[in-house]
Amino acid sequence: EAQVTQNPRYLITVTGKKLTVTCSQNMNHEYMSWYRQDPGLGLRQIYYSMNVEVTDKGDVPEGYKVSRKEKRNFPLILESPSPNQTSLYFCASSLSPGIYGYTFGSGTRLTVV
Amino acid sequence: SQELEQSPQSLIVQEGKNLTINCTSSKTLYGLYWYKQKYGEGLIFLMMLQKGGEEKSHEKITAKLDEKKQQSSLHITASQPSHAGIYLCGADAWRDDKIIFGKGTRLHILP
Repeated sequence: EAQVTQNPRYLITVTGKKLTVTCSQNMNHEYMSWYRQDPGLGLRQIYYSMNVEVTDKGDVPEGYKVSRKEKRNFPLILESPSPNQTSLYFCASSLSPGIYGYTFGSGTRLTVV
Repeated sequence: SQELEQSPQSLIVQEGKNLTINCTSSKTLYGLYWYKQKYGEGLIFLMMLQKGGEEKSHEKITAKLDEKKQQSSLHITASQPSHAGIYLCGADAWRDDKIIFGKGTRLHILP
């Protein structure tokens, strides 16, 4: 089944403890992206990648890192999480977002205490 | 910066009634997408519109893009409990494959 898989689905962590949210897609998509969703603010793009080793900042990149060493994987790294990064995170992938839109993962609900 | 305005923010309708959600941009849109999200879950792709005046339907949901390609509406006919959720519009406003999203419309269906 064609899908975007994120792990974990739920995560509670403490301030400052490094964490990684994994994202994998099996559709051979070039584009991958991370969004965060917050009440009243909607979906905001954190980082995106147009291909292997090509990444770029979205609208809210501060406090996040990404890497794209393989086409199928696009992990999101929080080096030193803070409570304002408590959010619902979505990974998405596409052949070409402008033409096909994105396929989204099921989301990761992160709480930083 | 480019923004998508969705209205209403929230909608409560009686089961069986029709409803419309709007998505408006100040700039021409080069691709308009509608997604549905169950509360706290992932986004499910509904439809994509690209041409001015285009209209697409899926089951009881119809989406239109106006001729100017600056506004889209999503219409649900004879609403059912399964239609409840958050509806988001997304768009490629700059033709750069960067998709922005509206803040969503929360739809509640009363039995």
